[in-house]
Amino acid sequence: IQLSQSPSFLSASVGDRVTITCRASQGISSYLAWYQQKPGKAPKLLIYAASTLQSGVPSRFSGSGSGTEFTLTISSLQPEDFATYYCQQLHGYPLTFGGGTKVEI
Amino acid sequence: EVRLVESGGGFVQPGGSLKLSCAASGFTFSNYAMSWVRQAPGKGLQWVSALSGTRDTVYYADSVKGRFTVSRDNSKNTLYLQMNSLRVEDTAVYYCATIEPSALGSFDQWGQGTLVTVSS
Repeated sequence: IQLSQSPSFLSASVGDRVTITCRASQGISSYLAWYQQKPGKAPKLLIYAASTLQSGVPSRFSGSGSGTEFTLTISSLQPEDFATYYCQQLHGYPLTFGGGTKVEI
Repeated sequence: EVRLVESGGGFVQPGGSLKLSCAASGFTFSNYAMSWVRQAPGKGLQWVSALSGTRDTVYYADSVKGRFTVSRDNSKNTLYLQMNSLRVEDTAVYYCATIEPSALGSFDQWGQGTLVTVSS
């Protein structure tokens, strides 16, 4: 299952609403997770089951979608949100990640 | 506190071998499937392998199948990745991660990673 993320690069300002899209090559129901990765750090789980916020993750992050199209939304971008975001499908092996979206100032 | 600590990375020539370890603490290791994920320098995440807690179910990415072997010792709370016939394109930071069944199999805990460099 291929995952296509868009955009691959996004320039935004603090306070902006940001939306990242992830498209699957076939239906994956809600078996999708979103991760945030900062330079030199391990990825961090933000959202699982397409729309469930992981414990401790700020509520400005939200996820939606099912089937083949999914979105990650940051309602009001904060300085600590500048990072790279990846989607991952968990519908079947081999597991796959999207190519990533780098969010920069 | 859940902790995953990878080790065993280093520099190896093409065709060589390396064995990575992931020491786990802070949770009941045997209850969790585990996975390896890698990231080539400046590139995105690539899933490598997964192994069930009971060691009876294992999966590999096509790019490593036949060359890499994942295993675990539940008595030592440690996950391993034996990497043989290494190629330049295997150069990456290798992360281990827990597979959380209550999160539809998402990877909810990650180690800090260990760098493997394959070069002549």
